[in-house]
This record gives sequence, C-alpha cells and structure tokens, in this order.
Amino acid sequence: ETGVTQSPTHLIKTRGQQVTLRCSSQSGHNTVSWYQQALGQGPQFIFQYYREEENGRGNFPPRFSGLQFPNYSSELNVNALELDDSALYLCASSQLGLGSYEQYFGPGTRLTVT
Amino acid sequence: KNEVEQSPQNLTAQEGEFITINCSYSVGISALHWLQQHPGGGIVSLFMLSSGKKKHGRLIATINIQEKHSSLHITASHPRDSAVYICAVLRDSGGSNYKLTFGKGTLLTVNP
Repeated sequence: ETGVTQSPTHLIKTRGQQVTLRCSSQSGHNTVSWYQQALGQGPQFIFQYYREEENGRGNFPPRFSGLQFPNYSSELNVNALELDDSALYLCASSQLGLGSYEQYFGPGTRLTVT
Repeated sequence: KNEVEQSPQNLTAQEGEFITINCSYSVGISALHWLQQHPGGGIVSLFMLSSGKKKHGRLIATINIQEKHSSLHITASHPRDSAVYICAVLRDSGGSNYKLTFGKGTLLTVNP
C-alpha cells in the first residue's frame, strides 16, 4: 500500500473525446509524475509537476496536459483521444528536494479508446 | 538502442529455483529502481539503489555503477513471484527533473 490512489480504475472512451484521470498523492509529497504504459511495454514519462508547476515533459503532444493542486491531488487530461492512447496510466508521487529519489506508484487507470 | 535494456524478456522457472534478471543502462544515473507489476495491476517499488547491494527477504538487488549494470535475484522462487519485473533509472540530469526511464520489463513465470 503506497498511499497513492487513482481514479477511475477502468475507463472506456470513444476516439475524439476528452478524458480526465485523477491521482491522489501521498500526503506531504510535492511532486507527481505521470506515465503511460502501452500493452507489453515499459512505462513512458509523460510529465512531472512540482509544487503545482510543470517540471519536465516527455515526448507527448500538447493534447496531454496536467494540473497539480495544493491538496496533493493531480489530474491528467487528454483531448481528442486517439486509438493509440489506449494504455495504463500511472501516477507516482515523491518528495523532491530532500535527496530522496523514491517514487510511490498508484494502481493505475486502464483507458480503452474505441 | 534503448537507454535501459533488460534480459531476459521472458523467464520461466520451477518453484524453488534461483532467478536472476539483468538490467543494463547507457546513461548517467542518480538511482536505479527495481519494480514489480502483477498482471493488470499497478507498480510496486521493490528497491531503489545508487550503489552496492540491498536485500529484502528473498530478494536481492545489486548495482555496479562503473559497468552500468544491475541485477535482481530471487532466491527459493515461488509461484506468487510470477509478475513483470521492471528496471527503471533516474537520470542524473543535474537539474530538478526527476523522471524515470524504464526498461521493457521481464515477465517471470514460476511454476509449482
């Protein structure tokens, strides 16, 4: 049990729609990272938020956007969904700045785009 | 070539066998994670290493920074160890962006 939760667990959307995925970080953690894991692949870094500001981004288009809130929760928004967006989306929280690199993963949201 | 390479991709073992999964990386790192993922499930962090060796129960992780190589060992394997094991490195970017770069994972199946 990492103390990181994600919702919903599963989601089915249609191509072209928009989706919002949610993550509740471990209490006190100031950093959240989002990852996309396609079937049979390792996770890919989407972006990271530190103290509510984007702090690095992977090779994902602008239709992937995020927010981090003061209560340690965060959102991943994906606009104009494509079939290739079908994947497991993972968030991981950490406490940046104290020399600790430990990241705590949530259980993931399985998104299916039809 | 991927920055993080794992071998083997798939591994089948009999209960009780000693298992080794290898990870090689090509970039400077601050730390290396070994993660476990059960089918359809989220990811659990097993170890985080920046040098030497760590042990937790039947699991042992080692890292050789000079050779850019890490191994995960499972002693006395059990069917409940069946999962995907993922190596992930935290790149030493010199900045404040702590992103992980993942290997593709090793699917371990332990048969009774």
